[in-house]
Amino acid sequence: EAQVTQNPRYLITVTGKKLTVTCSQNMNHEYMSWYRQDPGLGLRQIYYSMNVEVTDKGDVPEGYKVSRKEKRNFPLILESPSPNQTSLYFCASAIGRGGIIDTQYFGPGTRLTVL
Amino acid sequence: KQEVTQIPAALSVPEGENLVLNCSFTDSAIYNLQWFRQDPGKGLTSLLLIQSSQREQTSGRLNASLDKSSGRSTLYIAASQPGDSATYLCAVDAGNMLTFGGGTRLMVKP
Repeated sequence: EAQVTQNPRYLITVTGKKLTVTCSQNMNHEYMSWYRQDPGLGLRQIYYSMNVEVTDKGDVPEGYKVSRKEKRNFPLILESPSPNQTSLYFCASAIGRGGIIDTQYFGPGTRLTVL
Repeated sequence: KQEVTQIPAALSVPEGENLVLNCSFTDSAIYNLQWFRQDPGKGLTSLLLIQSSQREQTSGRLNASLDKSSGRSTLYIAASQPGDSATYLCAVDAGNMLTFGGGTRLMVKP
């Protein structure tokens, strides 16, 4: 089954404790992306990757890191989480050719709370 | 910077009605526009993708149109059903990045 998986689905942590949210897709997609969704602010893009070893900042990259060492995985790293990073996070993947993104497939989301 | 607006923010209709959701964007230099559905607490499901060269796309009871020159897209839902209740989001791809609208929360009453 074609899918995007995220782990963990729920996480409560404390300020400053490094964490990683994993994202994996089994569709051999070139493009992967991370979004956060907040009430009143909608979905905002954090980072995206057009292919292995190619990553770029989205609209709200501050406080986040990503890596794309393999095509299927795109982890999101919070080196020193803060309460303002409490949010619902989504990973997505898509076929990406010539800079054009095709239909995006979203993971189920990770609800993160930073105390 | 691309801005995407969806009107109305919320909509409640009786079952069986045909309805139109609106999406507008400020920069017409886009590659494509996508419509998504999001159920409460869930991820997004892609409904339709319209390439910039296309005028419309259809899938079942859904029809999406795109007018790049005016910066507008509409999602038409025919014969609405209670199962259509969800938040509908549009997103524009202006080159590697998607910019989302705030969504329209749809409630279809039996």
